[in-house]
Amino acid sequence: EDKVVQSPLSLVVHEGDTVTLNCSYEVTNFRSLLWYKQEKKAPTFLFMLTSSGIEKKSGRLSSILDKKELSSILNITATQTGDSAIYLCAERGSQGNLIFGKGTKLSVKP
Amino acid sequence: GAGVSQSPSNKVTEKGKDVELRCDPISGHTALYWYRQSLGQGLEFLIYFQGNSAPDKSGLPSDRFSAERTGGSVSTLTIQRTQQEDSAVYLCASSLQGAGMNTEAFFGQGTRLTVV
Repeated sequence: EDKVVQSPLSLVVHEGDTVTLNCSYEVTNFRSLLWYKQEKKAPTFLFMLTSSGIEKKSGRLSSILDKKELSSILNITATQTGDSAIYLCAERGSQGNLIFGKGTKLSVKP
Repeated sequence: GAGVSQSPSNKVTEKGKDVELRCDPISGHTALYWYRQSLGQGLEFLIYFQGNSAPDKSGLPSDRFSAERTGGSVSTLTIQRTQQEDSAVYLCASSLQGAGMNTEAFFGQGTRLTVV
């Protein structure tokens, strides 16, 4: 059974800190790994990773996939209060379905 | 449409009643997903439709839950004889799938279901 595990489940930091969120997966016939940010109801897309070792970057956020370790990390540098959200990781297997982890709740204090 | 549309946005129902939740995906998207999110929890997979293939129903928690997708577009999630533990936000997403395609899913704003 495909499975996604995220850590930590919650994290409290202060503005300006750098954070690293972790995602590990077990999936048959891996196709891609996706990161989402959820502030209210609808998760919004951040990154999709398909190849190992290639960093995706958007502003202060970046992510990389390690297929050997079956894991991915999401980095946020110089955190701001607006980064407070739940960060969700999902893997897509061969059937195309998306299986999500429980998420990491990030709180950034001023 | 411009985005994934879900209705209603909020639904309060009495225990034992049936409810129908609607999802209108982005035009042209062949894949449609339903998830359930309880307070403080992650996204629990319910059902996945891909084109004309048989849906993956492996996440439906009981036979009170069913979903259909008519004409490869709009989907309806039906919960029969609702129970209090069904209270959650129900999220729908769609993506462009197909041979060789691997794209992100876009989410609707969800339906918050409260069973009293």
